Amino acid sequence: KQEVTQIPAALSVPEGENLVLNCSFTDSAIYNLQWFRQDPGKGLTSLLLIQSSQREQTSGRLNASLDKSSGRSTLYIAASQPGDSATYLCAVSPGSGSARQLTFGSGTQLTVLP
Amino acid sequence: DTAVSQTPKYLVTQMGNDKSIKCEQNLGHDTMYWYKQDSKKFLKIMFSYNNKELIINETVPNRFSPKSPDKAHLNLHINSLELGDSAVYFCASSQGHNSNQPQHFGDGTRLSIL
Repeated sequence: KQEVTQIPAALSVPEGENLVLNCSFTDSAIYNLQWFRQDPGKGLTSLLLIQSSQREQTSGRLNASLDKSSGRSTLYIAASQPGDSATYLCAVSPGSGSARQLTFGSGTQLTVLP
Repeated sequence: DTAVSQTPKYLVTQMGNDKSIKCEQNLGHDTMYWYKQDSKKFLKIMFSYNNKELIINETVPNRFSPKSPDKAHLNLHINSLELGDSAVYFCASSQGHNSNQPQHFGDGTRLSIL
């Protein structure tokens, strides 16, 4: 059974810092890995999706990497801003089976201080 | 303009009651999902429908019955509500249940059982 772990559970940084969020998963047979952002009282917003054959994806100040063999992914946020404060969730989709349901980590709650 | 919309946003009800949550997506997607987020913010898949057919049914009590009248709608009916059903329920959709397309989430329905 796939398990997804995110470290740290919470992170507080001053504005302008670069930071890294970590995600690990136990079963390396994945189809893809997604990073989401969740704001309080809101749903999830998809940030980046990395296919199993890819090593990284970039969108603006965000860069996500994937090392499937070691079961790890990182989300790098450059020049953090207070508006980046949110909970960041990592989720993986299984590499086999008839459906691609996501298995989520418990998230990293990020606070960027002005 | 809302892509995935859920109603109601908040639902407060007594134990033992029956309630429904509605979900609609206007993205033209063919796959829809229901997730449950517990008090520890852990998200877990409940059901998935592709073209109105059930493709995922995780270990969920049979008091929960999803219904998909068409591809754009996936409603969740819950019978005999229990205290443990208190959570945030998220609806999501994607194009293809076997693809590398990201899932789009609604803002959630906060269910509180008294």
